[in-house]
Amino acid sequence: DTGVSQNPRHKITKRGQNVTFRCDPISEHNRLYWYRQTLGQGPEFLTYFQNEAQLEKSRLLSDRFSAERPKGSFSTLEIQRTEQGDSAMYLCASSLGLQETQYFGPGTRLLVL
Amino acid sequence: SQQGEEDPQALSIQEGENATMNCSYKTSINNLQWYRQNSGRGLVHLILIRSNEREKHSGRLRVTLDTSKKSSSLLITASRAADTASYFCATDAKGNTPLVFGKGTRLSVIA
Repeated sequence: DTGVSQNPRHKITKRGQNVTFRCDPISEHNRLYWYRQTLGQGPEFLTYFQNEAQLEKSRLLSDRFSAERPKGSFSTLEIQRTEQGDSAMYLCASSLGLQETQYFGPGTRLLVL
Repeated sequence: SQQGEEDPQALSIQEGENATMNCSYKTSINNLQWYRQNSGRGLVHLILIRSNEREKHSGRLRVTLDTSKKSSSLLITASRAADTASYFCATDAKGNTPLVFGKGTRLSVIA
């Protein structure tokens, strides 16, 4: 048990619908990361926060994706107007600081029909 | 793009044998981390090795790092069926905080 939790664990939605995922990091960790993983691939970085500030976004994060960490604790990742290509495992990780171990949650598996 | 490349892509061994997985990367790094992932699950952190370290041990795991060759290896000794999983290396490149993962090595340990 890494201490990072994600909800929901699974989400099935129809194309065009909006979905929102939640991540609760380890409580003392000030850095929070979102990654996406497709079948047979390693995780790919999407975005990360230091406290409530979103410091970097990947080119993978299209304008349909938005992430927030309003109080520097939990984070949400929203995908608007979902597409079939959004089907993937969405992973959240947190770390104590720069260049420190990132601990991952169990992931949210999204299937867009 | 994925910086780390694991080798081999798949490995099948008998229980009790040792398993060695290799990782190569392209740019200078602050540290390199190895993770394990069981099918459809999240990633479990195994070991972090910093750029100024050459070798680290944790239980049955041994990790080496050769920054001159930009490569790392993960050795699992006396493997068990429960070690069956995908193993990923991830680099924390200098000047860049997010981890960059390879495609992983799928290890099967046959009882």
